[in-house]
Amino acid sequence: QKEVEQNSGPLSVPEGAIASLNCTYSDRGSQSFFWYRQYSGKSPELIMSIYSNGDKEDGRFTAQLNKASQYVSLLIRDSQPSDSATYLCAVNRDDKIIFGKGTRLHILP
Amino acid sequence: DVKVTQSSRYLVKRTGEKVFLECVQDMDHENMFWYRQDPGLGLRLIYFSYDVKMKEKGDIPEGYSVSREKKERFSLILESASTNQTSMYLCASSGQGRGGEQFFGPGTRLTVL
Repeated sequence: QKEVEQNSGPLSVPEGAIASLNCTYSDRGSQSFFWYRQYSGKSPELIMSIYSNGDKEDGRFTAQLNKASQYVSLLIRDSQPSDSATYLCAVNRDDKIIFGKGTRLHILP
Repeated sequence: DVKVTQSSRYLVKRTGEKVFLECVQDMDHENMFWYRQDPGLGLRLIYFSYDVKMKEKGDIPEGYSVSREKKERFSLILESASTNQTSMYLCASSGQGRGGEQFFGPGTRLTVL
């Protein structure tokens, strides 16, 4: 089992709809969870961090964490064409962060 | 805002050359990291450092070395560049203890001919 798993996509979502990105992880001891956005040819940019079970909202973004199910998700409301990017899920393992390979999101105008 | 800078955005080198990639952060972060990113393989950790003059191997250290003489600067060295080291190289730093949020530099796209 991979440490951090994401569906590679592409995930196509109409403009204005909710995009839902999912991630599972294998280490039950993980305590910190991150979502990064990466535009083509650019470096990853941190958009959300979550540490406790439940939801965390920041503008149009909501991160959801369920440690019992080892599942973390990112919801993007009112999707915009500028949200088209690859989204990387990252989870801490001991003293490091392990990154998933990312989900490509395509917002359809 | 955290600022992580890398010495070059694009670099072209020849096989066998010694290559230096520099990374500087301005937020007094203790931790610094070097990754490479290749299509289909994701981000892979090369080396990291939790303090000045400290270094630890990541998942793919072969063919690379690092230097951290000052807290703000972390250098990646390709001792003898090879074509399979053509990649995007990303530097990151973090300050919230180990395993915390990492902030990335803009990346260096290295091509080895």
